Amino acid sequence: AQSVTQPDIHITVSEGASLELRCNYSYGATPYLFWYVQSPGQGLQLLLKYFSGDTLVQGIKGFEAEFKRSQSSFNLRKPSVHWSDAAEYFCAVGAGYGGSQGNLIFGKGTKLSVKP
Amino acid sequence: GAGVSQSPSNKVTEKGKDVELRCDPISGHTALYWYRQSLGQGLEFLIYFQGNSAPDKSGLPSDRFSAERTGGSVSTLTIQRTQQEDSAVYLCASSVRGGGGAHNEQFFGPGTRLTVL
Repeated sequence: AQSVTQPDIHITVSEGASLELRCNYSYGATPYLFWYVQSPGQGLQLLLKYFSGDTLVQGIKGFEAEFKRSQSSFNLRKPSVHWSDAAEYFCAVGAGYGGSQGNLIFGKGTKLSVKP
Repeated sequence: GAGVSQSPSNKVTEKGKDVELRCDPISGHTALYWYRQSLGQGLEFLIYFQGNSAPDKSGLPSDRFSAERTGGSVSTLTIQRTQQEDSAVYLCASSVRGGGGAHNEQFFGPGTRLTVL
């Protein structure tokens, strides 16, 4: 069965420092991959997505992610973190072959704290 | 335009009562999804509607849970005889179409926080 693993439950970084949030998936074919962000009391907002093509994808708010098939990873990065980036981040994969099943399978999330 | 809306934003109920949660998807979106977000469980898929097709109910945790979507738009998630373990945030999402590809970008509502006492 498909699954998504986010190894880090909680990460703290200093404002201005770089950030990398890890995501590993299990899936045989090319997955449809997503990163969402959830601020306290808010719904989920899509940061970026990967369907095919260029393995480095750019998203909103200065985030990017790189799809690495050999490592089954889709790590999220940002070169310089801002205090407003403090939130919970979820990696997800489209269920079924080519995401055909419709729903998303989510990792358990990584909570990001930002130190001044 | 308007995003996905959900009501109520908060619901407190007593164990054993029935509750109904409502979702208004983005206009024109044919696919609608319900997820549950609870502590320690992360985000779990519950049910998925695509157009007029039979819904995918594979994520519903028990027969106390049901959902309908009227007129291909508004959806209601019903939980009968609520239990304390049903306490969670229930999220609704919609997308242009279901299935894979860019049309499956899901837009989420703010959620309904359900507390069962």
